[in-house]
Amino acid sequence: DQQVKQNSPSLSVQEGRISILNCDYTNSMFDYFLWYKKYPAEGPTFLISISSIKDKNEDGRFTVFLNKSAKHLSLHIVPSQPGDSAVYFCAASGGGSGGSNYKLTFGKGTLLTVNP
Amino acid sequence: KAGVTQTPRYLIKTRGQQVTLSCSPISGHRSVSWYQQTPGQGLQFLFEYFSETQRNKGNFPGRFSGRQFSNSRSEMNVSTLELGDSALYLCASSFTGGPDTEAFFGQGTRLTVV
Repeated sequence: DQQVKQNSPSLSVQEGRISILNCDYTNSMFDYFLWYKKYPAEGPTFLISISSIKDKNEDGRFTVFLNKSAKHLSLHIVPSQPGDSAVYFCAASGGGSGGSNYKLTFGKGTLLTVNP
Repeated sequence: KAGVTQTPRYLIKTRGQQVTLSCSPISGHRSVSWYQQTPGQGLQFLFEYFSETQRNKGNFPGRFSGRQFSNSRSEMNVSTLELGDSALYLCASSFTGGPDTEAFFGQGTRLTVV
């Protein structure tokens, strides 16, 4: 049972335009959400996160929006740059039991390609 | 500041063998987590350790085990390897392991079972 879903395996965007990556989750107990970026042959790197008590968090060109009623979050990248081309993973934490705070549940990732 | 170091980077093993992977966290980090990445399943949580104690374990068979040493270094072991165990194994470290502390990933160990 996949609790975190990224339904778009890939996304292609022109340089300078907005990239919107989407993520849905099913576990209403999740209380923290994160985005990671992964380049080939490297480990994932943390990008931005949001607590369930917020609906928006912004960090430079990156903004994450959380819609708890829809169990949906999105990552906006504005403006997109060719160096942003990577696989983006959505992850969630929490879930009720004590140990759940020490586990990240990941989506399968979305490959973003930013064309010059 | 050195990052998370995983050794070896690549490994080829035969079915039925066992393997041990190592992870050295960033200095000062006491939490180490392990994840398996496969093309079909994405990143799946294996287990998390903090101060030598396992705090959470994913849905993997008992063939997958781990431990953490007093210096926070961690090892994971897979016994009786199966073809399906071929994957990228990633280790992540953080100060506390909680979601509000950034986890840093190593480059991973690519395990191929033949």
